[in-house]
Amino acid sequence: EVQLVESGGGLVQPGGSLRLSCAASGFTFSSYAMSWVRQAPGKGLEWVSAISGSGGSTYYADSVKGRFTISRDNSKNTLYLQMNSLRAEDTAVYYCAKALGATVTTEFDPWGQGTLVTVSS
Amino acid sequence: QSALTQEASVSGTVGQKVTLSCTGNSNNIGSYAVGWYQQISHGAPKTVMFGNSLPSGIPDRFSGSKSGTTASLTISGLQPEDEADYYCSTWDYSLSARVFGGGTKLTVL
Repeated sequence: EVQLVESGGGLVQPGGSLRLSCAASGFTFSSYAMSWVRQAPGKGLEWVSAISGSGGSTYYADSVKGRFTISRDNSKNTLYLQMNSLRAEDTAVYYCAKALGATVTTEFDPWGQGTLVTVSS
Repeated sequence: QSALTQEASVSGTVGQKVTLSCTGNSNNIGSYAVGWYQQISHGAPKTVMFGNSLPSGIPDRFSGSKSGTTASLTISGLQPEDEADYYCSTWDYSLSARVFGGGTKLTVL
């Protein structure tokens, strides 16, 4: 069974940093692209970043470009999101999602349960 | 404003057929398959359709289609447990980014 388990969320002050992790199991991790998607309180889903199966290609939403970095360790079956210069508007539940193939253009299935990031002083 | 346009709300009665739409352009829906994601009470999203394929475990009353730059999710024989928010998503090659619709709140009367 495919499982994605996010961790690393919490309360951080504006301007601070946080690293999210997504532990994957039940599939050949390196064969699939992965993404981070977030949902602010009361809002819809917003794509944040994606990375190819090899890790060689990365993509970011304009809202996080230059502040967030996506990476993966295929030997540890783990996806990461390093978040720097955090702002109040980054407050959201962050989900990791597995793509249907090695490239980032394919759809997601499944999603993790999410981890909450709160940016507040 | 979302790159993909969805109805804000749709409602139907038990047993009815409802169709949710998702409109984009040639850079996104016109070029890539569309995924549909169900979210109940702001829980974790669940994939109910990718392209016109059903994920394992999703009942076959869900079906998907696409015509040009508009994708549709049809639920035939609406059930109370289908009440949820539904989001469409695809890749946009001009943006080099994934785009989502604003979501449709489906109410089962």
